[in-house]
Amino acid sequence: EVQLVESGGGLVQPGGSLRLSCAASGLTLSHYEMNWVRQRPGRGLEWVAYTSSTGRTIYYSNSVKGRFTISRDNANNLLFLQLNNLRVEDTATYYCAKEPGGYRFDTWGQGTLVNVSS
Amino acid sequence: QSALTQPASVSGSLGQSITISCTGTSNDVGGYNYVSWYQHHPGKVPKLIIYSVTSRPSGVPDRFSASKSGNTASLTISELQAEDEADYYCSSYVSGSSPYVFGTGTQVTVL
Repeated sequence: EVQLVESGGGLVQPGGSLRLSCAASGLTLSHYEMNWVRQRPGRGLEWVAYTSSTGRTIYYSNSVKGRFTISRDNANNLLFLQLNNLRVEDTATYYCAKEPGGYRFDTWGQGTLVNVSS
Repeated sequence: QSALTQPASVSGSLGQSITISCTGTSNDVGGYNYVSWYQHHPGKVPKLIIYSVTSRPSGVPDRFSASKSGNTASLTISELQAEDEADYYCSSYVSGSSPYVFGTGTQVTVL
């Protein structure tokens, strides 16, 4: 069974940092493009970041560009999102999502909650 | 990149059909056949129900169908069931340096 499991969320002060992880099982991560998507409280889904299967091509949403960094460790089937200079408005549940091509997200993790508050 | 526009809420009775619209621009919905739809029950994991405008992943009931005309995509749920009550989001490829955009989301209520 294909499974994605996020971890690393928590409470952090504005300006702080967190590193989110997404562990993949039941698949070979190196075969897939991967994304992070978030949902702020009471708001809709928002795409955050993309990495190609090799990690050579990366994109970010304008709202996180320059503050967040997506990376991957294909040897260990892991995806990461480094969150720096966090703002209150970054408070959200962060999901990792697998992309089998075609600009769609066919498998999602259960999400990890990031709470930015003083 | 601006979110695609969806109605905030749509409701329908058991057994009826409803349609949710998703309006973008020629740089996203209108320009590419990469519109997807997701069903999201609060507290659960989002689920892909439509991709490439009209295709259904295996296991998704054929009560869910979709189409596109110009800059607007549409999701139709036929024979509405209680378990269809959820939030629905469209998504599209968008040309530019941030290539993905979601819709604003639609809450579906089954009466």
